[in-house]
Amino acid sequence: GAGVSQTPSNKVTEKGKYVELRCDPISGHTALYWYRQSLGQGPEFLIYFQGTGAADDSGLPNDRFFAVRPEGSVSTLKIQRTERGDSAVYLCASSLPGTVEDTQYFGPGTRLTVL
Amino acid sequence: GNSVTQMEGPVTLSEEAFLTINCTYTATGYPSLFWYVQYPGEGLQLLLKATKADDKGSNKGFEATYRKETTSFHLEKGSVQVSDSAVYFCALMNTGFQKLVFGTGTRLLVSP
Repeated sequence: GAGVSQTPSNKVTEKGKYVELRCDPISGHTALYWYRQSLGQGPEFLIYFQGTGAADDSGLPNDRFFAVRPEGSVSTLKIQRTERGDSAVYLCASSLPGTVEDTQYFGPGTRLTVL
Repeated sequence: GNSVTQMEGPVTLSEEAFLTINCTYTATGYPSLFWYVQYPGEGLQLLLKATKADDKGSNKGFEATYRKETTSFHLEKGSVQVSDSAVYFCALMNTGFQKLVFGTGTRLLVSP
C-alpha cells in the first residue's frame, strides 16, 4: 500500500509568516509522529499522536508550534510567526503500536526555508 | 537523559571492504535500539532493530548486536557495495515512550 506522504515537499516563506505542513499516514496506523531534521543532524522529536490526541508534545520548541490530528488520520503541523531558525526538514512518521508493525515508517519530509 | 553518539563521517570505503559504524547510547531503563538508513533523495528507512540485550538485528547483510555492558549497538557489514552509500542513523526508543532519539548520522561513501 501507499507509504507516508507529506505535502508540500518544499515550502519557502518569509520571516513572520504562518505555515502549515501536512502529513498523510499509512492507512490504519493509529500513531503519528513529527520530527525536525536540521542540516547535518539527526531527526529531533516534536510530537506524537495516538489517535486524535497528542500523547507526547514534549519536543515542541515553543508555543509558535502546534499540531492537530482531528480525525485520527491526517495531521497538520502549524508554525506561527516563522523565524529563520525554523528552517529544516520536517519529517512525519506513522506506526501501529503493539503489533508486529510497531515500526515508525517515515515520509519523505517537507523542506521548510524561512527567508 | 537519553542520547545516542555515533562516529563522525564520512566513512569512505572501497567496494567489498568491511564496515563498522560505531554507536553508543545513554538511557534510563532498557531501550530498544535501531539503525535507520537514508539513501540519497529518499526518506528514512528502518534497516534493523534489537529490543533487548544480546539481541542481534540483521537485514541486507548488515548486523548489529545490542551490548548492554558496553551500551553499544555497532553496525557491521562484511562486504559493502556502492549501493550502500547513504547516511546511517543510530536511534533508541526508551521503554514506555514512543519517541525515537537519533544520533547525528554517519555518511558512508563506497567507491568501486
